[in-house]
Amino acid sequence: DIQMTQSPSTLSASVGDRVTITCRASQSISQWLAWYQQKPGKAPKLLIYKASSLESGVPPRFSGSGSGTEFTLTISSLQPDDFTTYYCQQYYSFWTFGQGTKVEIK
Amino acid sequence: EVQLVESGGGLIQPGGSLRLSCAASGFTFSTYSMNWVRQAPGKGLEWISYISSNSITTYYANSVKGRFTISRDNAKNSLYLQMNSLRDEDTAVYYCARDTSSLIQHWGQGTLVIVSS
Repeated sequence: DIQMTQSPSTLSASVGDRVTITCRASQSISQWLAWYQQKPGKAPKLLIYKASSLESGVPPRFSGSGSGTEFTLTISSLQPDDFTTYYCQQYYSFWTFGQGTKVEIK
Repeated sequence: EVQLVESGGGLIQPGGSLRLSCAASGFTFSTYSMNWVRQAPGKGLEWISYISSNSITTYYANSVKGRFTISRDNAKNSLYLQMNSLRDEDTAVYYCARDTSSLIQHWGQGTLVIVSS
C-alpha cells in the first residue's frame, strides 16, 4: 500500500502570508496527486488534481507542484476563508490520503 | 449540477448491520465509477470502497474487506454500501464520491454512522 505523509500537521499563519504544505508518497506516484480543502462539518472540496492542475472555480492563489514522491500545495496569499484543513491524496494505486494539515490563525 | 445525497446512517450496536444509500443526480450516473470514503470523528479521510460504472470491478480497503459490500443500481441512479459486523471503529461520517478517471472529484454531504452499545 502507498502511504502519504503530510507536513506540517498544523501551520500557524496570518492573513496575507504565503504558506506551503508538503506531501510525500512512500513510492513514486508520478503526478497522480490531488489536494482537497475541508471545512468543519463539510465534505472535502477538490482544489488541485494531477499535482498541479487547478480545479475549475478554485482561486489562483492555490497552486500545486511536484512529481514522483514529493509534492507541495502553496497558498500565495492566505485569505480568511483559507484557515481550515487540507489533505493530499494519491490516486496512482487505489486511493490514500495524507493525515491532513490544519492551517490556523497565528 | 452534480448532486450526491447520502442516507441511511444512524446509531447501531456493535455486530449489527446497516445499509447506506447515495442518490445521484445532475450527471449520467451509469457512466461513472463511484467510491465510499469515511471520516472518523476528528480524524482524517479513509477511502473504503470503489465500484466501476458497470459493477464488474469492486475494491475494498483491508479495514472493511469481508464485512462491507458496495453495489449500485444504474436504473435508480443509486449507490449502496451494505455494512455488516459493524465495530466501534466503523463510527464515522460516510461520504459517497464520484470518480473521474480515478480522481475523486465530487462528494456528497455525508451520513453519520455511530456504532455503540
